[in-house]
Amino acid sequence: EPEVTQTPSHQVTQMGQEVILRCVPISNHLYFYWYRQILGQKVEFLVSFYNNEISEKSEIFDDQFSVERPDGSNFTLKIRSTKLEDSAMYFCASSERRALQRVGTQYFGPGTRLLVL
Amino acid sequence: AQKITQTQPGMFVQEKEAVTLDCTYDTSDQSYGLFWYKQPSSGEMIFLIYQGSYDEQNATEGRYSLNFQKARKSANLVISASQLGDSAMYFCAIGRGGSNYKLTFGKGTLLTVNP
Repeated sequence: EPEVTQTPSHQVTQMGQEVILRCVPISNHLYFYWYRQILGQKVEFLVSFYNNEISEKSEIFDDQFSVERPDGSNFTLKIRSTKLEDSAMYFCASSERRALQRVGTQYFGPGTRLLVL
Repeated sequence: AQKITQTQPGMFVQEKEAVTLDCTYDTSDQSYGLFWYKQPSSGEMIFLIYQGSYDEQNATEGRYSLNFQKARKSANLVISASQLGDSAMYFCAIGRGGSNYKLTFGKGTLLTVNP
């Protein structure tokens, strides 16, 4: 069964360093997302991406964050200068196109656990 | 804006019994979808079941069913014949209709299945 994959599974970085989290969405999916989950809290939306541009972003997704689809398979989240509060699990998700009234299911990757020291 | 409320921080159930996890939602959208995800202690988010706002029948997926009461804005998850492997965090989420949308999650319910 197709699945979303993410690398690395764990990342430890120093405050102020740049990190890139990588995702390979399900191959026939067109919509891509990043979410984060701070330890013990609920999952929060960061950004959605379609047709090589951002569709929607949350207030969490400030200028320190960027997303890119550098090729036909990868989808990346970059944090330019990490802060302690960026420590969280980061999930990539993807969904396929649905007709107007239907909602496409988002399938999540296994997550990258980011720890900023 | 959309909102999900899960009022049960934790639930306990005996193995082989059924359990209901509560979820209420708030949205001004006419077209939306409701989702349940399972998060085991390993951390991944596993999709369980989906209910569209226009679906007349309650969704079912194996041992999972969704008790959808649109007028009450509730979408409770029912797990039948609980198994030890069902012990996990369960999140209810809502997304608006259409292909491209964000999911808004509740705070989750930690389910423990006792042998």
